[in-house]
Amino acid sequence: DAGVIQSPRHEVTEMGQEVTLRCKPISGHDYLFWYRQTMMRGLELLIYFNNNVPIDDSGMPEDRFSAKMPNASFSTLKIQPSEPRDSAVYFCASSFQPRDTQYFGPGTRLTVL
Amino acid sequence: AQSVTQLGSHVSVSEGALVLLRCNYSSSVPPYLFWYVQYPNQGLQLLLKYTTGATLVKGINGFEAEFKKSETSFHLTKPSAHMSDAAEYFCAVSVPNSGGYQKVTFGIGTKLQVIP
Repeated sequence: DAGVIQSPRHEVTEMGQEVTLRCKPISGHDYLFWYRQTMMRGLELLIYFNNNVPIDDSGMPEDRFSAKMPNASFSTLKIQPSEPRDSAVYFCASSFQPRDTQYFGPGTRLTVL
Repeated sequence: AQSVTQLGSHVSVSEGALVLLRCNYSSSVPPYLFWYVQYPNQGLQLLLKYTTGATLVKGINGFEAEFKKSETSFHLTKPSAHMSDAAEYFCAVSVPNSGGYQKVTFGIGTKLQVIP
């Protein structure tokens, strides 16, 4: 398996623009997680899905953030409108069981100017 | 609610010296505990995990950790540091939440520097 795939790897955008981050989990994994990593706040869980259904979105910072999982092999995290404070590395991870090992993608480094 | 505390955001050791990275957790139910490692510009990778059973857990690259319930700790150790161990290490705890699902919480991370 190719592992968790994320795209793009780097994204530079201007404040106010819409940003869409993409993730393809490992085939057969029923759980998908979105994290944000910053120097100040470390690794934060934003939202996670079970069988394509959002289970816990309490970590989503505000309404500008939304996440979807239209099928078992694809998820998106959208920020609209983007702000400079959204600059961070965003990771997607997947697992077979909820308490199982999470497999992380390489991350998307987002810079909002 | 559960929490994880990693003592020391930066740790420096000499090559060949003992590595000790500290992790304490708080949980009202038996937790699953994990150590992940992150190399520069990469995602996190699992080093080792504790679920149930034997409290001394061995992982990859010579690392091990011991679950001590009485101390609510899960410290990571390696007898002899290698230059390739330089990375950031994250402790994580997983417990069921009120809805019956799982909640995973990561610590702030500890950056390990290995001095030649």
